[in-house]
Amino acid sequence: AQSVTQLGSHVSVSEGALVLLRCNYSSSVPPYLFWYVQYPNQGLQLLLKYTSAATLVKGINGFEAEFKKSETSFHLTKPSAHMSDAAEYFCAVTVNTDKLIFGTGTRLQVFP
Amino acid sequence: GAGVSQSPSNKVTEKGKDVELRCDPISGHTALYWYRQRLGQGLEFLIYFQGNSAPDKSGLPSDRFSAERTGESVSTLTIQRTQQEDSAVYLCASSLPGNYGYTFGSGTRLTVV
Repeated sequence: AQSVTQLGSHVSVSEGALVLLRCNYSSSVPPYLFWYVQYPNQGLQLLLKYTSAATLVKGINGFEAEFKKSETSFHLTKPSAHMSDAAEYFCAVTVNTDKLIFGTGTRLQVFP
Repeated sequence: GAGVSQSPSNKVTEKGKDVELRCDPISGHTALYWYRQRLGQGLEFLIYFQGNSAPDKSGLPSDRFSAERTGESVSTLTIQRTQQEDSAVYLCASSLPGNYGYTFGSGTRLTVV
């Protein structure tokens, strides 16, 4: 069965600093991978998805993620954090099904 | 509709009572999903509908939980004899089949007292 592990339940960065949120997956077949963002008291919004095309995926709000099969990773990055990026971020995986399996989430704090 | 709509947005119920949560997906989205999010935790899959059938209901935690979908649109999640551990945000999402881009609703926050 597939799964994802998000390392670090909390990440804090200064405004303007690099954002790096880690996600490692486990799957016996090629996965589809996703990052979602959840702002306070809101539903989840799709940031980006990897579906076996380009390994570097660009999403909304300046975020991107790189699929690295050798490392079984799909880390989310943004070169320069904004205060508005403060939210909960979830990595998710699926394999040939419509059911997404989510990680436990990483809360991003951005300090001025 | 323009987005996935869930109602009520908040529900406080007494232990032992039944509750019904409603999800109105995006028009034309044949796939519909229910997830549960406990405080400070990730999303726990409950059930998936394709049209009116539920090919995967493996996440329903007990027989107190049931869900149905009629007319390939609205879905209701029913929790009977609620317990305090049922307190959570229940999220609904919909998508086109195989699209893998879920659109989530804002959720129903259920509190069992």
